[in-house]
Amino acid sequence: AQKVTQAQTEISVVEKEDVTLDCVYETRDTTYYLFWYKQPPSGELVFLIRRNSFDEQNEISGRYSWNFQKSTSSFNFTITASQVVDSAVYFCALRQGGDDKIIFGKGTRLHILP
Amino acid sequence: DAGVIQSPRHEVTEMGQEVTLRCKPISGHNSLFWYRQTMMRGLELLIYFNNNVPIDDSGMPEDRFSAKMPNASFSTLKIQPSEPRDSAVYFCASRGGAGGTDTQYFGPGTRLTVL
Repeated sequence: AQKVTQAQTEISVVEKEDVTLDCVYETRDTTYYLFWYKQPPSGELVFLIRRNSFDEQNEISGRYSWNFQKSTSSFNFTITASQVVDSAVYFCALRQGGDDKIIFGKGTRLHILP
Repeated sequence: DAGVIQSPRHEVTEMGQEVTLRCKPISGHNSLFWYRQTMMRGLELLIYFNNNVPIDDSGMPEDRFSAKMPNASFSTLKIQPSEPRDSAVYFCASRGGAGGTDTQYFGPGTRLTVL
C-alpha cells in the first residue's frame, strides 16, 4: 500500500521566517518518485519538484529546499525567508515505480503574515 | 510552450443539466488524468488515459460521469445529469513526452457549480 501523510494541516508564520513542511510517505517499492506541488489562492496546481528514490541529494532552488531521507521515509520542504507570495496550499505526492497514478497528501495550508 | 488548457474556467448550471468539461493536454504528452478537488475529499483521481485509451476509471463516482479522449490533443469529461454534489474544481493533467518523464502538469481547473 502507498500513502502520503502531511501531518500539518495549517501553518502560519510571519514574513521572513523560515518554515518547514513535513511529508512522510509509505511504499513497498524500491523505485518511486516524490513530488511537491503548490496551489496558490488562484487555484492552479503548480509543479515544484520531482525526486526519484535513488537520488537522496538535497535540492535547493532559490529560497526553496527539499530534504529527502529514505531512512525516515520523509521528503520535507523548507522555505527560507518566507514571503507573502508563498501563501498557498502545498501538496506532497508519491508515485510508485510501476504505477501511472500519483497519490497526493491532503496538503498543508501555509499562511505567511506580513 | 502552452501548458494544459481547460475550458470553461467556470461553469454554473442547474441540477439536471448536462455539463461538458474540456481539456487539451501538452503537445507530445501521452497520458491524461482527470481529477476532482473538494474541501471534503481533497484531490481525487477520476480517470486516466494512456495513448488515448482509458486505463483506470475506478475513481469515476457513478454512471452520470463519462470521459472520452478521441485523439491525443483533446479530452472531455461529461456529467449527465448534474447534481449539486458534483460542485467542485475539476483538473486535467498530462504527462509524458520524450524520455517518458514522470511529472504530471496540471491545467488551471474548471470550477463547477451546480445549483
